[in-house]
Amino acid sequence: GAGVSQSPSNKVTEKGKDVELRCDPISGHTALYWYRQSLGQGLEFLIYFQGNSAPDKSGLPSDRFSAERTGGSVSTLTIQRTQQEDSAVYLCASTFRGESYGYTFGSGTRLTVV
Amino acid sequence: RKEVEQDPGPFNVPEGATVAFNCTYSNSASQSFFWYRQDCRKEPKLLMSVYSSGNEDGRFTAQLNRASQYISLLIRDSKLSDSATYLCVVSLYTGNQFYFGTGTSLTVIP
Repeated sequence: GAGVSQSPSNKVTEKGKDVELRCDPISGHTALYWYRQSLGQGLEFLIYFQGNSAPDKSGLPSDRFSAERTGGSVSTLTIQRTQQEDSAVYLCASTFRGESYGYTFGSGTRLTVV
Repeated sequence: RKEVEQDPGPFNVPEGATVAFNCTYSNSASQSFFWYRQDCRKEPKLLMSVYSSGNEDGRFTAQLNRASQYISLLIRDSKLSDSATYLCVVSLYTGNQFYFGTGTSLTVIP
């Protein structure tokens, strides 16, 4: 596609429910990243996928968070048993052939846990 | 120590002014440097890459000082539309991630 597509754009969920956030990167981009941004805060790295390599999960805040990337393209971030502190904007980004090109963000999923 | 540090501001400047932001990074092995712009409630967007020799894009000039481990962004002739948060981004070129500063807030006042 023309850009990084994320869905849903907004999600309100009850505390304790599971949610799935989807990211469709730019076609041909081999690297995909998930970040989250709380209100008024900077970007927090969550997880990184590069081609067929094992993902870098070092930023996932707890074992309630997991992500997968199927077929080297679409990625799903899953948050189990959501907590209020999970409320944030979840941003996905992709890039081609590594860091020297910078990367392109999707418009994000705004998650609100009530 | 954070990988990337920025003065959060806010910077409030009149239209037409020149404003400069600095950003310091902690890892001397850092290889790639960028400035991103983030408008309120929007995703960050790449403003410009920062090259060793410095580079210019219209009213925007980026500089890299490897010896002192900082990068800068200069905006000349500020426009109202320049109001945003400017994020400094550094990569180690190891294939894992970019490091974002927390951003510097700029408001250009009429």
